[in-house]
Amino acid sequence: DQQVKQNSPSLSVQEGRISILNCDYTNSMFDYFLWYKKYPAEGPTFLISISSIKDKNEDGRFTVFLNKSAKHLSLHIVPSQPGDSAVYFCAASEAAGSARQLTFGSGTQLTVLP
Amino acid sequence: EPEVTQTPSHQVTQMGQEVILRCVPISNHLYFYWYRQILGQKVEFLVSFYNNEISEKSEIFDDQFSVERPDGSNFTLKIRSTKLEDSAMYFCASSAGTGNEKLFFGSGTQLSVL
Repeated sequence: DQQVKQNSPSLSVQEGRISILNCDYTNSMFDYFLWYKKYPAEGPTFLISISSIKDKNEDGRFTVFLNKSAKHLSLHIVPSQPGDSAVYFCAASEAAGSARQLTFGSGTQLTVLP
Repeated sequence: EPEVTQTPSHQVTQMGQEVILRCVPISNHLYFYWYRQILGQKVEFLVSFYNNEISEKSEIFDDQFSVERPDGSNFTLKIRSTKLEDSAMYFCASSAGTGNEKLFFGSGTQLSVL
């Protein structure tokens, strides 16, 4: 079941540059999208989210863009810092009351090089 | 910042044995979840719980699994007769339940079934 896909298993960027992580989805019922960051031996940590009624949401260095027609979202981190090195998961949810069943992508390992 | 806590961090058990994984969700949250991640695979939804009953469950959450909120603070996942394929990292999560809100995840319990 590949409803949420992250096609790049890894990404390396130089410190200070922009990191762009991509995510595609197939289920048109998804209406809420989230990005989580995960360090080894820790649980996923929420980063930023976007509702399907928006096409952009920004929070400090993190911006998420949503292209509903293309069923594509991306996470931009600028400037990238070495502490951003982690696995980034895209997740999506349908309108199912308030009990949010998230469908996760497979993750992208981001490495920010000093 | 409030957090979801999970115990134990590691659990080793023999096939066929029962295990109970424990979680303390964030105190004012209303929705509770269990997810799991088998090594090398995606984070997968197992079950959501609200108002002392299961809201949604996945195909993975068969009769061997059960959840309980035995008191006002703990949320448990029981696997009645563990199988080798139950070996995974199990994540508990909670959310406030006010709408498009984020899930907060615990650090996980690594379950190894021998």
